[in-house]
Amino acid sequence: GAVVSQHPSRVICKSGTSVKIECRSLDFQATTMFWYRQFPKQSLMLMATSNEGSKATYEQGVEKDKFLINHASLTLSTLTVTSAHPEDSSFYICSASSLIVGDTQYFGPGTRLTVL
Amino acid sequence: EDQVTQSPEALRLQEGESSSLNCSYTVSGLRGLFWYRQDPGKGPEFLFTLYSAGEEKEKERLKATLTKKESFLHITAPKPEDSATYLCAVQAVGNNNAGNMLTFGGGTRLMVKP
Repeated sequence: GAVVSQHPSRVICKSGTSVKIECRSLDFQATTMFWYRQFPKQSLMLMATSNEGSKATYEQGVEKDKFLINHASLTLSTLTVTSAHPEDSSFYICSASSLIVGDTQYFGPGTRLTVL
Repeated sequence: EDQVTQSPEALRLQEGESSSLNCSYTVSGLRGLFWYRQDPGKGPEFLFTLYSAGEEKEKERLKATLTKKESFLHITAPKPEDSATYLCAVQAVGNNNAGNMLTFGGGTRLMVKP
């Protein structure tokens, strides 16, 4: 299957700081990338969808000014959590997709964010 | 609104004890139904895509089947390494902006004891 990487895998930051998470599709060009967050023992919650070169589409209840998404190339999308607070602590997972891979979403390994 | 319900929420099996996981769905028009496996602290790993009723796919001890209302993930003679959360998701037709968007079920946590 297609390979998607995320960096960093874990990050601990102080309240009020910003954190950037990178998502890369390593062996295919992803026209669409998705960002999810997952709380313990719960399923994935879609935060936003981004198409290369376009503004991201955010799900209802997700603050676009707090969770900045950039999809500047067909292999890279970034999620920046601005002015992070403890309630932003979560597991963030990206996925990448395109017609080349049959519109299947391939997921990254996730990033564990802890805000102190 | 598309909905996906998985049952049971948790399943404990003895090694070698075969069973099935259920995924019931309602969707305006099914483009595809996906099964993923997720290990703790990791991202979901793609297993199968099913597109039409009657379709079946197999991978090692796993077999996925699809009807017009539900999908089953059959696990034959499971091993402890099959322990994971199994996620079902549907993709609907007609989502112009994100045609490949998924709606996930809550998952089934499978524990296989040796």
